[in-house]
Amino acid sequence: GDSVTQMEGPVTLSEEAFLTINCTYTATGYPSLFWYVQYPGEGLQLLLKATKADDKGSNKGFEATYRKETTSFHLEKGSVQVSDSAVYFCALTFTAQKLVFGQGTRLTINP
Amino acid sequence: DGGITQSPKYLFRKEGQNVTLSCEQNLNHDAMYWYRQDPGQGLRLIYYSQIVNDFQKGDIAEGYSVSREKKESFPLTVTSAQKNPTAFYLCASSINREVEQYFGPGTRLTVT
Repeated sequence: GDSVTQMEGPVTLSEEAFLTINCTYTATGYPSLFWYVQYPGEGLQLLLKATKADDKGSNKGFEATYRKETTSFHLEKGSVQVSDSAVYFCALTFTAQKLVFGQGTRLTINP
Repeated sequence: DGGITQSPKYLFRKEGQNVTLSCEQNLNHDAMYWYRQDPGQGLRLIYYSQIVNDFQKGDIAEGYSVSREKKESFPLTVTSAQKNPTAFYLCASSINREVEQYFGPGTRLTVT
């Protein structure tokens, strides 16, 4: 079946460091891809999305490019802040009914 | 302000009791979803509904039940048949045929 694999956490960085969180997927076909963010004790917020190959999603300084050759959707940010500390989920869907999530990557940014 | 509300934020129950989690949305979305989140794991789909009075099982529906009598409401009942009910439960909604889902703040259920 369809699946999403994220890099294992936790990830700890210093403020202003460069961030990459890896995400790869297994699916038959070309799904839509998402990054969601979950701040402590809260629900998920959509961070960015890409619906077709080579699309780049971006929001709040975060970016991810849909790479069908490597079935990847890695999340990047050039300079992280303490407020970026959260759990990040990569997800895919073919239809509106079923989102398939990765296991989440916990990110901690130290001042 | 449009959004999804879930109540209560924390819920405690004794083993063997049924418990109902509330989810309300005022986004005028057609579809609603319930997910379960366990520590260190991604979200897993319990049930979803695309239209009033209709719903489908997700990947882990056993021990749960839902109803969709109104477009804005999609309550989830965790029954005594659910073997490991302690978890964080998230409700979401979307416009039908749109892939983007919007999530509520969640309810943390603890059963002892």
